[in-house]
Amino acid sequence: SQQGEEDPQALSIQEGENATMNCSYKTSINNLQWYRQNSGRGLVHLILIRSNEREKHSGRLRVTLDTSKKSSSLLITASRAADTASYFCAMLNQAGTALIFGKGTTLSVSS
Amino acid sequence: NAGVTQTPKFQVLKTGQSMTLQCAQDMNHNSMYWYRQDPGMGLRLIYYSASEGTTDKGEVPNGYNVSRLNKREFSLRLESAAPSQTSVYFCASTEGLLNTEAFFGQGTRLTVV
Repeated sequence: SQQGEEDPQALSIQEGENATMNCSYKTSINNLQWYRQNSGRGLVHLILIRSNEREKHSGRLRVTLDTSKKSSSLLITASRAADTASYFCAMLNQAGTALIFGKGTTLSVSS
Repeated sequence: NAGVTQTPKFQVLKTGQSMTLQCAQDMNHNSMYWYRQDPGMGLRLIYYSASEGTTDKGEVPNGYNVSRLNKREFSLRLESAAPSQTSVYFCASTEGLLNTEAFFGQGTRLTVV
């Protein structure tokens, strides 16, 4: 079974608004990663947050990690139409041998 | 700087036919992965190779075989294609397993009729 689960499944916002998506997981992790997938393309790595970190920033992206709640959130500030994509969280499987992904959040940003 | 290259990009097979999906990376990564992506299902791990010479089953390995030909190449074979294998297949690689980002190919869209 998959380790991570994103919420919401779909999100529609206007340009300029902030977008927040969440990821919950079941077991302890070493790190958690977020990826973006544009339609018809492969996944692209956005940010990695380690288990001893609580918050990390990269440009307009802000990721938080709460290991006590086994959850992470990805915030995209001042969204643009180009941010329209699916976003996935990822982490190692329980055996620690392979990277597994959640089902993703589909973000639609309209101008 | 090609990264991860998958071939072919598109393929249509008849039920029962076989084919091999090719994947190569030029980043000297140790670990390679094959995923399938279906609508509403996210990415599901088929097989992975943590290092050259090793392969292991993922979440949905039935109907597939893999070969880690060398450090660069990791192929996925469908011996007898079934309509349930219609999907988009992604190859990915990572330098190691811990604290490393994955690099993805552009995908192979496979239709089995």
